Amino acid sequence: AQSVAQPEDQVNVAEGNPLTVKCTYSVSGNPYLFWYVQYPNRGLQFLLKYITGDNLVKGSYGFEAEFNKSQTSFHLKKPSALVSDSALYFCAVKDQGGKLIFGQGTELSVKP
Amino acid sequence: SAVISQKPSRDICQRGTSLTIQCQVDSQVTMMFWYRQQPGQSLTLIATANQGSEATYESGFVIDKFPISRPNLTFSTLTVSNMSPEDSSIYLCSVEIRGRTGELFFGEGSRLTVL
Repeated sequence: AQSVAQPEDQVNVAEGNPLTVKCTYSVSGNPYLFWYVQYPNRGLQFLLKYITGDNLVKGSYGFEAEFNKSQTSFHLKKPSALVSDSALYFCAVKDQGGKLIFGQGTELSVKP
Repeated sequence: SAVISQKPSRDICQRGTSLTIQCQVDSQVTMMFWYRQQPGQSLTLIATANQGSEATYESGFVIDKFPISRPNLTFSTLTVSNMSPEDSSIYLCSVEIRGRTGELFFGEGSRLTVL
């Protein structure tokens, strides 16, 4: 069965510093991987996806993610964090039926 | 992208009652899903809404409790029946649209509190 794991419940970063939100996956076959962000009292917003091609994927709001097949990881990164990046981040994998399976989420807190 | 309108955005309900949530999309939809997000938790898929036929439910979810309709491509309803406090959650409509394969777009969600 497809699954994703986000090992950190919370990540704290100072504004201006680089940030990483971790995600590992378990799939049979080629993975379709996604990152979503949820701001307080809002729905989910799509950030980026990996389907095939370049392992470094660039997405919205300056975020990027690196697909690493050998480590089965798809970590979300940003070179310089903003206070406004503070939100809940979800990694997800698409299963063979077309459904998204979500990780448990990581709360990102960026302090001034 | 897609504009997904969910109604109601929030509601407070009494135990034993039922509530129907509507989802309307402004784009050509290929797939439509309903998710639940319980307080402080991740998203769990309830079912895939199929146009003109019965929804496909995930393990742990049944039609009697969560009846779903999808009369056309761009509209669906989810009913939460005979509610209990354990049903207090955010319910999210999600769609995949034509030309954006693999991406799911989400509505703002419907936050239900059951007393």
